[in-house]
Amino acid sequence: AQSVTQLDSHVSVSEGTPVLLRCNYSSSYSPSLFWYVQHPNKGLQLLLKYTSAATLVKGINGFEAEFKKSETSFHLTKPSAHMSDAAEYFCVVSERGTGRRALTFGSGTRLQVQP
Amino acid sequence: DAGVIQSPRHEVTEMGQEVTLRCKPISGHDYLFWYRQTMMRGLELLIYFNNNVPIDDSGMPEDRFSAKMPNASFSTLKIQPSEPRDSAVYFCASSLVGGSEKLFFGSGTQLSVL
Repeated sequence: AQSVTQLDSHVSVSEGTPVLLRCNYSSSYSPSLFWYVQHPNKGLQLLLKYTSAATLVKGINGFEAEFKKSETSFHLTKPSAHMSDAAEYFCVVSERGTGRRALTFGSGTRLQVQP
Repeated sequence: DAGVIQSPRHEVTEMGQEVTLRCKPISGHDYLFWYRQTMMRGLELLIYFNNNVPIDDSGMPEDRFSAKMPNASFSTLKIQPSEPRDSAVYFCASSLVGGSEKLFFGSGTQLSVL
């Protein structure tokens, strides 16, 4: 079975400082991993995805994530936070090779950006 | 493309009433997913379809919930009878087969059952 654990339910940073949102995964198969972002009253939008091509994945809006198999982690980072980054972020896993297409979402991390 | 379109955006109903949520996926997408989002349980997969056929409905809470996809451009999620604990945001998403597993989400339907 697959699962993801987002280690922080809330993260607060100051504008211009780095962002770190932590995610650990569990998967019986070679996983695909994603980060999605949800702005208030909006649907979810894909930030980036990992599918084994490269361990460091770059996404939209300056975000990136590094896949570390030894640590079963897929943490999301951004060098400098912007006010518009305030949103809820979801770490997501999909098990390739199982034939099942559904994604499993983490519980989410709410990012606050202080001026 | 207009993206995934859900209707209504908001629905307020009384306990016991039938509720129907609607979704139009992105044209050409082969997969359609229904998710429910609550504060307590986060995002839960309810059911998903491939080429209009239900593949996995293990997330459907109980018999009060049903979903259909009569054609490639339309799906419904029905709750009958509705209960207050069904209050949540219901998202529809679609994706392409064999691709990146990237889901395109609709804006959701905020359901309140009084």
